[in-house]
Amino acid sequence: RKEVEQDPGPFNVPEGATVAFNCTYSNSASQSFFWYRQDCRKEPKLLMSVYSSGNEDGRFTAQLNRASQYISLLIRDSKLSDSATYLCVVAGGGRTGGFKTIFGAGTRLFVKA
Amino acid sequence: DTEVTQTPKHLVMGMTNKKSLKCEQHMGHRAMYWYKQKAKKPPELMFVYSYEKLSINESVPSRFSPECPNSSLLNLHLHALQPEDSALYLCASSYGLGPYEQYFGPGTRLTVT
Repeated sequence: RKEVEQDPGPFNVPEGATVAFNCTYSNSASQSFFWYRQDCRKEPKLLMSVYSSGNEDGRFTAQLNRASQYISLLIRDSKLSDSATYLCVVAGGGRTGGFKTIFGAGTRLFVKA
Repeated sequence: DTEVTQTPKHLVMGMTNKKSLKCEQHMGHRAMYWYKQKAKKPPELMFVYSYEKLSINESVPSRFSPECPNSSLLNLHLHALQPEDSALYLCASSYGLGPYEQYFGPGTRLTVT
């Protein structure tokens, strides 16, 4: 089982749609969770951190469920500019007290006019 | 200012060449990272520096040699690379070594001929 698994893509949605991505992680000692977006041939950019209480930034809402070990990202009112790869990142909880940062394989989103 | 800069943007080198990639951040971050990313794959961690000391080496071949001259700079020295080393090389930094957000530079697109 992969340490961080994401929904397989690609997701093809029309403008204005609501789309949700899920991500599961295997290490219950993980401490921090993030969503990054990566445009084609560009670097990953931090979209948002994910907190236990959930957090919202405009059209984007992230949720964390520690009991079930998954995080989610909801995008409302999709825009063409939301087309990108969304990377789930889980950090912390390494062996011997260290830390690990694990990237999911990413989910590609295509928003069409 | 959450900016990490990298030079050069593109690099083409032969298998016998020696070249260096450079990364700089002025956010006062104490941890810096090198990642390698192949097309349609997530970033793979190569090296981590914390307080200018190498903390993590993910079993990277010795033809890649990292260097951290000071807290703002990170270099990756390349020698005798193979064509399969062609990839996007990303530098990132974070507040410290731990479950913190990482901020990525734009990357160096390396082609080994």
